[in-house]
Amino acid sequence: ETGVTQTPRHLVMGMTNKKSLKCEQHLGHNAMYWYKQSAKKPLELMFVYNFKEQTENNSVPSRFSPECPNSSHLFLHLHTLQPEDSALYLCASSRDREGNTIYFGEGSWLTVV
Amino acid sequence: LAKTTQPISMDSYEGQEVNITCSHNNIATNDYITWYQQFPSQGPRFIIQGYKTKVTNEVASLFIPADRKSSTLSLPRVSLSDTAVYYCLVGERNTGGFKTIFGAGTRLFVKA
Repeated sequence: ETGVTQTPRHLVMGMTNKKSLKCEQHLGHNAMYWYKQSAKKPLELMFVYNFKEQTENNSVPSRFSPECPNSSHLFLHLHTLQPEDSALYLCASSRDREGNTIYFGEGSWLTVV
Repeated sequence: LAKTTQPISMDSYEGQEVNITCSHNNIATNDYITWYQQFPSQGPRFIIQGYKTKVTNEVASLFIPADRKSSTLSLPRVSLSDTAVYYCLVGERNTGGFKTIFGAGTRLFVKA
């Protein structure tokens, strides 16, 4: 138990579907992150939120839409995805954005069919 | 931009000590070095963090030379359950703030 909870753990969606991934952290952290991990590839940083404000978007396609309603919750809204978007999506949090230890959730396995 | 370089993979046997070295030639003055462990289908897990010299906890030791251009994660007496990917991270300053970059990591395979 890392204090970062992701739901659902597994998701299968069609290319025309709209779904969302949810992340909640119970650590009192101020920064939250979405990472993508494709098979046998390094973790890719997608988005960073610090104090609910988005501070980084690493050229992520608009079919991925993040939302951070408060410092404890982070969503990733998905629509019109492609099969190559199938991957493990990891949420993480840290006390702040200044290089402190990052705590990861268990991840959400996404399969786009 | 600071980058890290690690061996792609390593093999070991149960009971041996494993040392994984990471190069980070462009580390910034205020950067810390952090190591994570990732098992298949799970998120990475924090192992150890250090700034200089040596840090030890119940899981591992981290050795950092004076120039801080490299670091070595030492796992004492590994077991089969230590088979995982190990990532070396360095806090990286960017124009928009710090950016935490994961490299490819080192795949450690522990054999019986």
